[in-house]
Amino acid sequence: AQSVAQPEDQVNVAEGNPLTVKCTYSVSGNPYLFWYVQYPNRGLQFLLKYITGDNLVKGSYGFEAEFNKSQTSFHLKKPSALVSDSALYFCAAYHNAGNMLTFGGGTRLMVKP
Amino acid sequence: NAGVTQTPKFQVLKTGQSMTLQCAQDMNHNSMYWYRQDPGMGLRLIYYSASEGTTDKGEVPNGYNVSRLNKREFSLRLESAAPSQTSVYFCASSETQNRNEKLFFGSGTQLSVL
Repeated sequence: AQSVAQPEDQVNVAEGNPLTVKCTYSVSGNPYLFWYVQYPNRGLQFLLKYITGDNLVKGSYGFEAEFNKSQTSFHLKKPSALVSDSALYFCAAYHNAGNMLTFGGGTRLMVKP
Repeated sequence: NAGVTQTPKFQVLKTGQSMTLQCAQDMNHNSMYWYRQDPGMGLRLIYYSASEGTTDKGEVPNGYNVSRLNKREFSLRLESAAPSQTSVYFCASSETQNRNEKLFFGSGTQLSVL
């Protein structure tokens, strides 16, 4: 069975500090990994994806994510957090044999001024 | 360009009532999806339509039916609503069902079943 885990319900950071939102996956085969962001009362928006190639993937709004095959992780990062980054973040994964995108439970990011 | 449009935005039902959630996309996408979002559980796929004329069950299809009316529209029907179906429902679309495609989401329908 495939699963996506986001071990932190909430992450608090101060504006200007680096942020990390953690994600681990358990899928068979090579994973297709995604990060989405949800602002209040809105649908999810695509941030970035890893399919193959460089382990460091750059995405929208200055976010990046690091794929680590040995640790089965795909952590979301940003060098300098903004208050406007406060939102709900979801990690998601396909595996090669499946047609369904599986989402993690979400992590709420709170960036304080 | 509206993207993915869902109606209604809010709905309150009594147990046993029926309703249809509407979704339309204007991006000429082939694939469409219905998800439900529950706290701490992320999004779970209810049904999807890989292309016009096809529909398939997702992870949690029980209690729901869908219709892919045409390429633009994909509706979700609750025949006899139950309190367990209280949730936020999202429609999404993608150009194809290829796994490297990103999904575009509507703004959601908040449904309460009393």
